[in-house]
Amino acid sequence: GENVEQHPSTLSVQEGDSAVIKCTYSDSASNYFPWYKQELGKRPQLIIDIRSNVGEKKDQRIAVTLNKTAKHFSLHITETQPEDSAVYFCAEGGSTLGRLYFGRGTQLTVWP
Amino acid sequence: DSGVTQTPKHLITATGQRVTLRCSPRSGDLSVYWYQQSLDQGLQFLIQYYNGEERAKGNILERFSAQQFPDLHSELNLSSLELGDSALYFCASSVVAGTSGNTIYFGEGSWLTVV
Repeated sequence: GENVEQHPSTLSVQEGDSAVIKCTYSDSASNYFPWYKQELGKRPQLIIDIRSNVGEKKDQRIAVTLNKTAKHFSLHITETQPEDSAVYFCAEGGSTLGRLYFGRGTQLTVWP
Repeated sequence: DSGVTQTPKHLITATGQRVTLRCSPRSGDLSVYWYQQSLDQGLQFLIQYYNGEERAKGNILERFSAQQFPDLHSELNLSSLELGDSALYFCASSVVAGTSGNTIYFGEGSWLTVV
């Protein structure tokens, strides 16, 4: 569980475009994959999560996909807005312990 | 507001000193987690407690220790502080210990500056 790779580290998009952030993990026992949004100096806030029995989950402009075979999951933000600008963290968790291991984060900047 | 309360919000102290960070979990949450966030290390998992007992340990230094009390609040003790310990320390809580169907909520964090 400690190896979560997140790419890209920075992402700049024009308002209205889509943004995609990808993460890979190594622990095949992991079954919970949340995404957190963190604005500068503030706490990480859960924006969407997916569990291993689901391949895709959508909530308005945000969607997450999971490929357990390939051990990767992605965050998709459509119709981006300037207020989407923040650092986004992926994380993975196992079934027996509560701790989450986080990726290094992606600084998303949405230009108006 | 996540319901997780951390104090103090900001703390400046000198190298070699000891500080204690305090966390009150959300009402009903039994599990408490501590994370360290520095600029170059992202969110590093330190330690987890569940209902008063240590549940999992991550990259926590020997100079650091934590505990969870019967009322479920938790304290993170940082001793022999070094400049590199300057970071934002987050506490988080969840209802149960496992992450299956278990959302983790973060507090606002405690900014520690070691000078």
